[in-house]
Order: sequence, then structure tokens, then C-alpha cells
Amino acid sequence: AQSVTQLDSQVPVFEEAPVELRCNYSSSVSVYLFWYVQYPNQGLQLLLKYLSGSTLVKGINGFEAEFNKSQTSFHLRKPSVHISDTAEYFCAVRGKNYGQNFVFGPGTRLSVLP
Amino acid sequence: DGGITQSPKYLFRKEGQNVTLSCEQNLNHDAMYWYRQDPGQGLRLIYYSQIVNDFQKGDIAEGYSVSREKKESFPLTVTSAQKNPTAFYLCASSIVLVPSYNEQFFGPGTRLTVL
Repeated sequence: AQSVTQLDSQVPVFEEAPVELRCNYSSSVSVYLFWYVQYPNQGLQLLLKYLSGSTLVKGINGFEAEFNKSQTSFHLRKPSVHISDTAEYFCAVRGKNYGQNFVFGPGTRLSVLP
Repeated sequence: DGGITQSPKYLFRKEGQNVTLSCEQNLNHDAMYWYRQDPGQGLRLIYYSQIVNDFQKGDIAEGYSVSREKKESFPLTVTSAQKNPTAFYLCASSIVLVPSYNEQFFGPGTRLTVL
């Protein structure tokens, strides 16, 4: 079984400042890792995913994430945020074994202030 | 445009009534999923289906039912047995259930409110 922790439920940041959204997971098997974004009253949209290879993954909208196996973390970063980045961000994992379903974290609400 | 549609966007229900949420996809995906989203709890899996005429319970299936008669459609019925049905419901699909690196694509959601 897997679990996902997003320690920060809310992150306020000023426009053009950098931001890091933290994600830690636990799993007894190897996992694939994902970050999704949800704008108000909408579905989720994939930002990026880590499958294998380079631990630094680049996604859409200027976001990137780094997989750290020893710390079981997959933190999301952006060097300069915009007002339009205001949304909820979900980290998710999925075990590589057959039939494993997605496990989502509780989400982090990013508020970008002018 | 390929995608997932959910209807209605907002739904109001009286206590004791069953209600069905629609989910349709034209992505030619085999696997479909239903999630419930509550504030601060992330997404919880209700049911999923790998193929037509087959579906499995997720983590919180009690009080819900589904059918998968067509590849494109995966409707969710919220029954009167569901004690706290007010929530945001999300439908998703993926190419196949396995391999598990395939991401899920989400619909816009239905907000259900029980009056």
C-alpha cells in the first residue's frame, strides 16, 4: 500500500517569487510519481510525471519536480510564479505492480498574491 | 476535441433520492474511474473499470453503484444508502489500467449537494 503526504495545506507567495510544494510518500513497492493541478471547480490536469531516468522532471507551465529516492520525496518547484498559478496541487503515486491504483495526497492550495 | 465530459455540473438532491452522474469519454480509453473529492482529503477512489461489463470497488464504494455497458460511458449512481453524499465527483480515464505509468485524464467534475 502507498500513502502520500503534502505537509503544506496552503502556500501563499508573492507574484514572481519562487515556490516549492512538498510531497513525501511511503510505499512497499516501487512507484511512479505524478503532480496534478486543479483550478477552481475544474478537473485535474497533469503537470508532470516521473517514471524513470533523470530525477529532475520538467512539466508544463514552467514547473519542475525532483525525485529523491532516499528521502521518498517528489517536491514541485517553480522559479517565478504568476497570478494564474493560483490553484490546488496534488501529488500522486502509483505502484508499479499490476493493478495498483493511484493514491493522491490531500493537496496544497497555492495562492499567488500581487 | 477528445476529452471527458461530465454532466450535470451542479446537482441538487433531496435526502432519500438516488441520483445518477454521467461520465462520457471519446478518448478510446479502456479504463475509467470515479473519485470523490472533499476539502482537505484529496481524491478517494469509488469505483473503477478496466473493460466493458467489468468494474471493481475502490476504497469508498459503499452507497454507490456503477455500470459499464459501453466503452465510452461509466455512470455513477449515488444511492440513498450513501450517508454523506455532498461532495465534488470526478470521473477519469486512462488508456489501460496497466502498465501503471499511464496517467489519468479527468473530467470537469459534478458538484452534488444534498438538501
